[in-house]
Amino acid sequence: EPEVTQTPSHQVTQMGQEVILRCVPISNHLYFYWYRQILGQKVEFLVSFYNNEISEKSEIFDDQFSVERPDGSNFTLKIRSTKLEDSAMYFCASSEASGLALPSEQYFGPGTRLTVT
Amino acid sequence: GNSVTQMEGPVTLSEEAFLTINCTYTATGYPSLFWYVQYPGEGLQLLLKATKADDKGSNKGFEATYRKETTSFHLEKGSVQVSDSAVYFCALANYNQGGKLIFGQGTELSVKP
Repeated sequence: EPEVTQTPSHQVTQMGQEVILRCVPISNHLYFYWYRQILGQKVEFLVSFYNNEISEKSEIFDDQFSVERPDGSNFTLKIRSTKLEDSAMYFCASSEASGLALPSEQYFGPGTRLTVT
Repeated sequence: GNSVTQMEGPVTLSEEAFLTINCTYTATGYPSLFWYVQYPGEGLQLLLKATKADDKGSNKGFEATYRKETTSFHLEKGSVQVSDSAVYFCALANYNQGGKLIFGQGTELSVKP
């Protein structure tokens, strides 16, 4: 069964450093998402991406964040200068269709735990 | 704005007990509703969904009915197993808002033998 994969599973970085979280969505999916879950809190939407551009972003997704689909398979989330409060589990998701019809199922990856020290 | 509220956990049940996890929502338009499950150390998996009022989603013995009149989507299971121990998230998505998922805070379920 196709699945979304994410690497690394755990990333430890120092405050102020740049990190790149990687995701490989399901191959025929067109919509891509990043969510985050701070420990003990709810899962929060960060950004959605379609047709090589951001389709929506939340207030959390400020100028420190960027997303990219550098090739036909990877989808990355970059945090330019990490802060302590960026420590969280980051989930990538993908879906076949969205927006023009009823939202289809989003398939989630296992997540990357980011720890900023 | 859109939001989802779930009953607080943790919920602790004995095996074969009846489960209800309450979920209510606030949304404009006609959202689709979902229950996701997160087993320890794993990502989020879709458990069931409903796309319009009065639809019932079901999977693995779990059920939830989309109640527009009460803006609710309560999760139920008649007889829980130890393997059902996980965190359950209620969520909504609106087709005219790009399909992003808005999650409730999650409810941890612990089932004891």
